[in-house]
Amino acid sequence: DTGVSQDPRHKITKRGQNVTFRCDPISEHNRLYWYRQTLGQGPEFLTYFQNEAQLEKSRLLSDRFSAERPKGSFSTLEIQRTEQGDSAMYLCASSYTSGRTNSGANVLTFGAGSRLTVL
Amino acid sequence: EDKVVQSPLSLVVHEGDTVTLNCSYEVTNFRSLLWYKQEKKAPTFLFMLTSSGIEKKSGRLSSILDKKELFSILNITATQTGDSAVYLCAVGAQKLVFGQGTRLTINP
Repeated sequence: DTGVSQDPRHKITKRGQNVTFRCDPISEHNRLYWYRQTLGQGPEFLTYFQNEAQLEKSRLLSDRFSAERPKGSFSTLEIQRTEQGDSAMYLCASSYTSGRTNSGANVLTFGAGSRLTVL
Repeated sequence: EDKVVQSPLSLVVHEGDTVTLNCSYEVTNFRSLLWYKQEKKAPTFLFMLTSSGIEKKSGRLSSILDKKELFSILNITATQTGDSAVYLCAVGAQKLVFGQGTRLTINP
């Protein structure tokens, strides 16, 4: 296992098109996270899954964004009707925690990201 | 809403200098504070701190947490050009809330 993999690494699209990003987490990890990072800012939380269940979504995630993790392994993040403001790096991360309401710390391992440019 | 503020936002020093990066936070339910290093791609994990006053060290890097004053510092001694990166501080448990990052540039 070589870590968290994301595909594609770069995507250029025209405004109004749909895009989909894929994330393959570390195989032993049961949690998967999506973050968005714009230039000069830290990553912003979008959503996360434990196994196949989506446990939390940020209010940043408008109805144009949808994420799935159908079999509890890889995940997809789809953006419909892209806007120029969607241009950012989309980072995926994974971790292993035991229990749904983990009270302990949680070290996330990040992928290299998918950079989206909307023209 | 949980908040993390890092300072300075940018720092330029000469190789061999010692630097201190700051992170203050406001969270409703503190679990842990993490430091990450981000070069051009994925943030890579440096430290996780959960207890006040206990220093974590890894080579030339060290970090400490003050839960009473709600801040952490990351120290890098004898800096090298390879330390040039954005250093991110984050707090949380199930999800992490990140600060804006400190962009550190080490000049030879």
